[in-house]
Amino acid sequence: EDQVTQSPEALRLQEGESSSLNCSYTVSGLRGLFWYRQDPGKGPEFLFTLYSAGEEKEKERLKATLTKKESFLHITAPKPEDSATYLCAVTASYDKVIFGPGTSLSVIP
Amino acid sequence: EAQVTQNPRYLITVTGKKLTVTCSQNMNHEYMSWYRQDPGLGLRQIYYSMNVEVTDKGDVPEGYKVSRKEKRNFPLILESPSPNQTSLYFCASINTGGAYEQYFGPGTRLTVT
Repeated sequence: EDQVTQSPEALRLQEGESSSLNCSYTVSGLRGLFWYRQDPGKGPEFLFTLYSAGEEKEKERLKATLTKKESFLHITAPKPEDSATYLCAVTASYDKVIFGPGTSLSVIP
Repeated sequence: EAQVTQNPRYLITVTGKKLTVTCSQNMNHEYMSWYRQDPGLGLRQIYYSMNVEVTDKGDVPEGYKVSRKEKRNFPLILESPSPNQTSLYFCASINTGGAYEQYFGPGTRLTVT
């Protein structure tokens, strides 16, 4: 059964303290892995798509990487406005999409 | 502005009273999808549609119906809502010609008493 797990469940960082979020997946024939950001009460906002092991994508303070079993979202020198829940999702066939439970990130000034 | 809209945003109803949540996108996307989000369970896919008149079940389709008669619209129908369908619902569309980015609507908070 296809599955996505994320760790940690919650992460509290001081402003400027870099860290990484983990997304582990079990899927037959990964076609794409996605990262989203979700603010309270809002719909998820697309961040990145990764297609194959070794691929990396960057956007401002965020960098996503992909291996054959997991993906990392690295946050460099985070700011309070980076506080949100970060969701990972995978698709094996470009139809069904499976989401992980998310990591709730709090960045303290 | 590129967007996915949902209506209503909030709905309180009673068990068994049929309801429809509308979803519309203005990006000409072929793929659209419905999710529900529950605490501790995350986002779960209910139904998706790869194109007009093409729909398929996601992971939690029981108790829901959908239709895709037009490319831009993808309504979610609860013919006989039950309390376990109380949830936050999101509609989304995907740009299958790009980075497969998924655009989400603002959500519909449904309470079934």
